[in-house]
Amino acid sequence: SQQGEEDPQALSIQEGENATMNCSYKTSINNLQWYRQNSGRGLVHLILIRSNEREKHSGRLRVTLDTSKKSSSLLITASRAADTASYFCATGAQKLVFGQGTRLTINP
Amino acid sequence: DSGVTQTPKHLITATGQRVTLRCSPRSGDLSVYWYQQSLDQGLQFLIQYYNGEERAKGNILERFSAQQFPDLHSELNLSSLELGDSALYFCASSVDGGGAPHYEQYFGPGTRLTVT
Repeated sequence: SQQGEEDPQALSIQEGENATMNCSYKTSINNLQWYRQNSGRGLVHLILIRSNEREKHSGRLRVTLDTSKKSSSLLITASRAADTASYFCATGAQKLVFGQGTRLTINP
Repeated sequence: DSGVTQTPKHLITATGQRVTLRCSPRSGDLSVYWYQQSLDQGLQFLIQYYNGEERAKGNILERFSAQQFPDLHSELNLSSLELGDSALYFCASSVDGGGAPHYEQYFGPGTRLTVT
């Protein structure tokens, strides 16, 4: 079974708007990672947040982590067409366990 | 470009056949991981090698095997192929894999396997 579950499964917004994706997980973690996958291609690592961190920023990305709720969110600000992709959260050390992903579509 | 290379990009073969997928990790990375991505199962961890030795095992079928060579490249062997083995197979690498809890895995572009 999947450790991480993303919500929503699909999200469609206008270019320039912010996009928020959520991830819930089941067991305790050391860290949580977010990845992006363009259609049928490799996964690109976006950000890693440790269990003792609450928020982390990288460019237009903001990730939060709430270990008490076993949840994380990924915010993409000022979205661009190039942000169209699937986004996955992953937990684990050696064995990364991925959720089913959120398909994000940015409309021009 | 993550620095992880995988060959071939595409592979089409028939049921019952055997194929070998190859992965070269980023320079300096000791760990190699294999993942399978299919429509029904999503992204699933298969196996990890660290500096030539098997370190962790996931949902890898007995028909599948892997190894990591002294130059740290890895091969995933899939035999007695079935239609359900059609999927994207990703290799990833990381510096560590020996137990440190915080490190990123960098993924290759994947090999798309189609079994007909």
